[in-house]
Amino acid sequence: GAVVSQHPSWVICKSGTSVKIECRSLDFQATTMFWYRQFPKQSLMLMATSNEGSKATYEQGVEKDKFLINHASLTLSTLTVTSAHPEDSSFYICSARVRHRSYEQYFGPGTRLTVT
Amino acid sequence: ELKVEQNPLFLSMQEGKNYTIYCNYSTTSDRLYWYRQDPGKSLESLFVLLSNGAVKQEGRLMASLDTKARLSTLHITAAVHDLSATYFCAVEFNKFYFGSGTKLNVKP
Repeated sequence: GAVVSQHPSWVICKSGTSVKIECRSLDFQATTMFWYRQFPKQSLMLMATSNEGSKATYEQGVEKDKFLINHASLTLSTLTVTSAHPEDSSFYICSARVRHRSYEQYFGPGTRLTVT
Repeated sequence: ELKVEQNPLFLSMQEGKNYTIYCNYSTTSDRLYWYRQDPGKSLESLFVLLSNGAVKQEGRLMASLDTKARLSTLHITAAVHDLSATYFCAVEFNKFYFGSGTKLNVKP
């Protein structure tokens, strides 16, 4: 149980285009979903926290207009990187919290974004 | 802002040896997590420590938490090559704060 999927697992896009990443909790309802980015050989950096039906809470320094997060249902959150640039190339990981088990979060497999 | 410090950052060890990874954090928290990450992969949950004095073991890994000292340890017993990975601790204080990770290389 507690499986989180991400799609796509990797994507290459051209500079200036937008790309959408989906995060789904497959067998549970997620109270909250989180979006992280990880640069090579670095730790995870929290980008935003997403609650179903409400606006995402962005961390300081993360551009809201560039990284659009939508949490449409208790099982789906999306991250759209708008007008992508090469410096947005990174590993994006989502995680989800299980309703009624708030001490754990389950991580998706990650999406590797390369902007050329 | 809460700071989480892991050491060592890199650890190269021989199979069969024991070693400990340390995780210090700057603000009181009762929730401490350990994760494993393989190259190119996401995080795998290893342990969730929820109270002072908590100790959990799984195979060759054992994690403990001392909330008064703000310290958690991940002890590796008789390391094997399959344990080679990067290990992260994370502290929850309103949100998750991750340590910088310890890259472990176990040499056959």
